[in-house]
Amino acid sequence: AQTVTQSQPEMSVQEAETVTLSCTYDTSENNYYLFWYKQPPSRQMILVIRQEAYKQQNATENRFSVNFQKAAKSFSLKISDSQLGDTAMYFCAFMKPLPQGAQKLVFGQGTRLTINP
Amino acid sequence: DARVTQTPRDKVTEMGQEVTMRCQPILGHNTVFWYRQTMMQGLELLAYFRNRAPLDDSGMPKDRFSAEMPDATLATLKIQPSEPRDSAVYFCASGFLGFGGRGGEQFFGPGTRLTVL
Repeated sequence: AQTVTQSQPEMSVQEAETVTLSCTYDTSENNYYLFWYKQPPSRQMILVIRQEAYKQQNATENRFSVNFQKAAKSFSLKISDSQLGDTAMYFCAFMKPLPQGAQKLVFGQGTRLTINP
Repeated sequence: DARVTQTPRDKVTEMGQEVTMRCQPILGHNTVFWYRQTMMQGLELLAYFRNRAPLDDSGMPKDRFSAEMPDATLATLKIQPSEPRDSAVYFCASGFLGFGGRGGEQFFGPGTRLTVL
């Protein structure tokens, strides 16, 4: 079964610093997606960034970028110039292909990130 | 700005009562997902639909849970009878199945926080 592991339950940094959240996953699939979702205290799940496994280039979205290491099955999220609004739970997720063209998101347990003023 | 909507936002009920949660997916998305989030289990997939047809509901307790999609603008998740262990946040998400393009992305609603006393 596919698993997603986030080894850092909590992290805390100062505003404007750069922070990296770790994620590893286990799969025998060759084609899949990886995602980072953000869940602020409002509890809304917000898609931060997406990576397609067949693409070697790391995805970037403004201050958010990933370091995707397919052989190592590692998918870390880097937040540059962190802001107070980045305070949230961050979930790494793996998109698992299923028969009949179906798909399933498998989530990690999350990392609680706090940005301090 | 298209978004997934869910009602109610919060629901408190007594054990044994029927609970119905509603979701309006983003127009044009062909897939709707129901997730449950608890502190102990994290985010779990309960069921999902493609083009309104149920594709997988293996994550859902069949004896008390039911999910339907009577039309393209409405998905429902019903619990009857409800139990205290059902207390959780229930998320609806919509997106596209398949790889390539925007495939794989899921957009979440704000969730329904259910408390069963």
